[in-house]
Amino acid sequence: QVELQQSGPGLVKPSQTLSLTCTISGDSVSSNSAAWNWIRQSPSRGLEWLGRTYYRSKWDNEYAPSMESRITVNPDTSKNQFSLQLNSVTPEDTAVYYCARESPGIHFDYWGQGTLVTVSS
Amino acid sequence: DIVMTQTPLSLPVTLGQPASISCRSSQSLVHSDGNTYLSWFQQRPGQPPRVLIYKISNRFPGVPDRFSGSGAGTDFTLRISRVEAEDVGVYYCIQATQFRTFGQGTRVEIK
Repeated sequence: QVELQQSGPGLVKPSQTLSLTCTISGDSVSSNSAAWNWIRQSPSRGLEWLGRTYYRSKWDNEYAPSMESRITVNPDTSKNQFSLQLNSVTPEDTAVYYCARESPGIHFDYWGQGTLVTVSS
Repeated sequence: DIVMTQTPLSLPVTLGQPASISCRSSQSLVHSDGNTYLSWFQQRPGQPPRVLIYKISNRFPGVPDRFSGSGAGTDFTLRISRVEAEDVGVYYCIQATQFRTFGQGTRVEIK
C-alpha cells in the first residue's frame, strides 16, 4: 500500500520560499514507472498542477508553464522523498498543497494528506 | 494551455436517480501515443481528491460500477447510474495529455 506523508511549515512570509517535503512508503521515488507530483488547491484558483519529478534512466522534471520561473521539485533518494520549493511567494500562493503519485496512464492515484500553507507577514 | 470546462457547476440529484457531468477540453486530448489521458476525480470535504476513472472509461480498482466514463476527442462525460448518499462531493475532470489541467469542479448534492 502506497502512502505519502507531507511535512513543512504552514506559514510563509511574502517574498520568501515555500518548502514542502513528501515522504513515500510502499514505493520508490526512483521507480521507473511512477512520477511524483505537487498540486495545490485554493478557492480562487481551484485545483492547479504545479510540477513533477520522475526517473527514466535519468532524472527529469516537468513544470506548469505558469510556475516554471520559480518552482523546483527535487527527489531525495536517500530518504525516499521528494520536495517542492516555490520562490518569491505572495498571498496568491496561499493554498492547500498536495503531493501525489502518477502511475502509467493513471494520474494521481495516491495523494498526501494536504498541507495548508498561508502566505502572510 | 488546455482549458477544461465542466457543466453543470452544481448538480442537485435525487437518491437512486442517474446523474451526468460533462467536461469539454479546448483542444483534442488524443496524445501522440494514441491514448487519451482524461480522468475523473471525486473530492469529499476535508479529503484529497480520489481517482474514479482514467483514460476516459477505465474504472480505478475499488470504484463502484455505478460510475462510468465515456467520450472522445474534446467531449467527455461522467455518469452515475444511481446516486447514493456517499456520492455527495465535488467532481473534477483532468487532462494529462499536455501538462495537467483540472476542470473547475461540479458540486453534486442531494435534493
